[in-house]
Amino acid sequence: KAGVTQTPRYLIKTRGQQVTLSCSPISGHRSVSWYQQTPGQGLQFLFEYFSETQRNKGNFPGRFSGRQFSNSRSEMNVSTLELGDSALYLCASSLGQPDSPLHFGNGTRLTVT
Amino acid sequence: AQSVSQHNHHVILSEAASLELGCNYSYGGTVNLFWYVQYPGQHLQLLLKYFSGDPLVKGIKGFEAEFIKSKFSFNLRKPSVQWSDTAEYFCAVRTPYGGSQGNLIFGKGTKLSVKP
Repeated sequence: KAGVTQTPRYLIKTRGQQVTLSCSPISGHRSVSWYQQTPGQGLQFLFEYFSETQRNKGNFPGRFSGRQFSNSRSEMNVSTLELGDSALYLCASSLGQPDSPLHFGNGTRLTVT
Repeated sequence: AQSVSQHNHHVILSEAASLELGCNYSYGGTVNLFWYVQYPGQHLQLLLKYFSGDPLVKGIKGFEAEFIKSKFSFNLRKPSVQWSDTAEYFCAVRTPYGGSQGNLIFGKGTKLSVKP
């Protein structure tokens, strides 16, 4: 069974630009969650989508947005990039039930210059 | 707000030493508890989880964790570590707030280095 796939693996952007990250969940998984990982803050929850609806959202500004398609693939968009947005962005999928563990992808490393 | 604290940022052990990594959370209600591990160059993967029942749970690769409700703790243990256990370990808690599977709160992680 293929794991969670995130593309691209690396991105370099300039301040003020926008970026779109993609996540393909494990087949059959309807829930996709996004996390930002930085050395200082660790893993911080961005949002979760389940059956194309945002089910939960973390404490990030509105510049961070996402969506989920009917095939459960998800995209995350960050507009007006800031230097502080440099991080590893992780996507995780699950069956979406309370006892379903998250399965993580390898992440997209975003560097903002 | 709910939070998860991992007591040690970096732990260095020799092979065959015993391991205990601390994890405390702040939430007074029912919680689901997890330990994830990230080996060098690999993605995060589930080590073990606790939802209910026996507070001593066993995971993969000989790891176990004990949930102590009165102490709001979920410490990870392994009797004898191996060099291959070198990794970063994350404790995570999911609370009912938000009613979402995705609302998983992570600690900042503990790096474990095992010397051969």
